[in-house]
Amino acid sequence: GESVGLHLPTLSVQEGDNSIINCAYSNSASDYFIWYKQESGKGPQFIIDIRSNMDKRQGQRVTVLLNKTVKHLSLQIAATQPGDSAVYFCADNNTGGFKTIFGAGTRLFVKA
Amino acid sequence: SQTIHQWPATLVQPVGSPLSLECTVEGTSNPNLYWYRQAAGRGLQLLFYSVGIGQISSEVPQNLSASRPQDRQFILSSKKLLLSDSGFYLCAWRQNTGELFFGEGSRLTVL
Repeated sequence: GESVGLHLPTLSVQEGDNSIINCAYSNSASDYFIWYKQESGKGPQFIIDIRSNMDKRQGQRVTVLLNKTVKHLSLQIAATQPGDSAVYFCADNNTGGFKTIFGAGTRLFVKA
Repeated sequence: SQTIHQWPATLVQPVGSPLSLECTVEGTSNPNLYWYRQAAGRGLQLLFYSVGIGQISSEVPQNLSASRPQDRQFILSSKKLLLSDSGFYLCAWRQNTGELFFGEGSRLTVL
């Protein structure tokens, strides 16, 4: 659901390790999801997307997994780097509607 | 290519003063436009969206308002700011696929 008034959960990983960021959604009819990365003081930027007819999609060092049965998304970042430190949001982009609903967000810290 | 700009980038205003944040989009016509707010250390809250000139949908009751006087212009306003209005305001336009493109953000501090 919408993120309102929630402090961001955090994830701290060692540089070089893999990161897994999780997200739950509530609308069974949702058919398109996007992960965004927000660096400090900037607007969110697109990382990777996935449609509901897929279970997995891979990009460069990132993989998104979609489990429609339990309405759960995850973003996996391989070999996490200091530049990956940011806030990550999943977004429900139900293409039949006009609104994009963002998850609560997770702040990723990468330890050198 | 499409670009989105919003200003001012930072703003410090006293309680009770008015507010006007402006957002413009270039390189696309009849975009769906959005205003989000992000309080410090928190997630994105959808405030308003617009699917066309003069069409505004409000998501959260508050002392803010939005207007769309032109196809590619979206304005966020307030007549009297509250302390709780402080935050990072983001304008965005939505591509047909659903992807959002955000502006650079406007950081508002109400004192």
